[in-house]
Amino acid sequence: GAGVSQSPSNKVTEKGKDVELRCDPISGHTALYWYRQSLGQGLEFLIYFQGNSAPDKSGLPSDRFSAERTGGSVSTLTIQRTQQEDSAVYLCASSLETGNTEAFFGQGTRLTVV
Amino acid sequence: GENVEQHPSTLSVQEGDSAVIKCTYSDSASNYFPWYKQELGKRPQLIIDIRSNVGEKKDQRIAVTLNKTAKHFSLHITETQPEDSAVYFCAASRWNDYKLSFGAGTTVTVRA
Repeated sequence: GAGVSQSPSNKVTEKGKDVELRCDPISGHTALYWYRQSLGQGLEFLIYFQGNSAPDKSGLPSDRFSAERTGGSVSTLTIQRTQQEDSAVYLCASSLETGNTEAFFGQGTRLTVV
Repeated sequence: GENVEQHPSTLSVQEGDSAVIKCTYSDSASNYFPWYKQELGKRPQLIIDIRSNVGEKKDQRIAVTLNKTAKHFSLHITETQPEDSAVYFCAASRWNDYKLSFGAGTTVTVRA
């Protein structure tokens, strides 16, 4: 596709359930980021994948959060045993590996935990 | 890790006036400083960026300045227009790992 695609665009889940959020980066982009944005807040870094290197997981808020990137392309962010404080917009972005370049954001997944 | 601080958190300006947003960073190895604009309900989009080998960059009404010694950089918007109303985020990344660290954002409101 032409841009970063995220699915679903909206997700409502019950507290305690697991959710999976998907990100399709721009073809050829080897860097992939996940950020969380709570209502009216900034961009909270979660995890960063860069090529074949080990991911930087330093932003994951708890062990309920995990992410993987299969084949260097699609990424899935999984939240286990969701809590109400997990409600936010989860944004994915991708960029080229060759030097610092523009990160292109997806439209986000709005997660609501009820 | 990198810590990026951004000020002010909110900024209200009269249409036609200038707006300035300032950011500081902690990691002296950072060498790339982009600015993103996020309109209400939309995704963040890059508006301008600067690398550490230059001190200033302009693109029409937008300019960014960088002071490597003081580890701060600023966004300047001149002749503001209502469509400039948005949240602006600064960011920084290192030369060797490209991880983007964002500031907390500035909500800019341009009053007609």
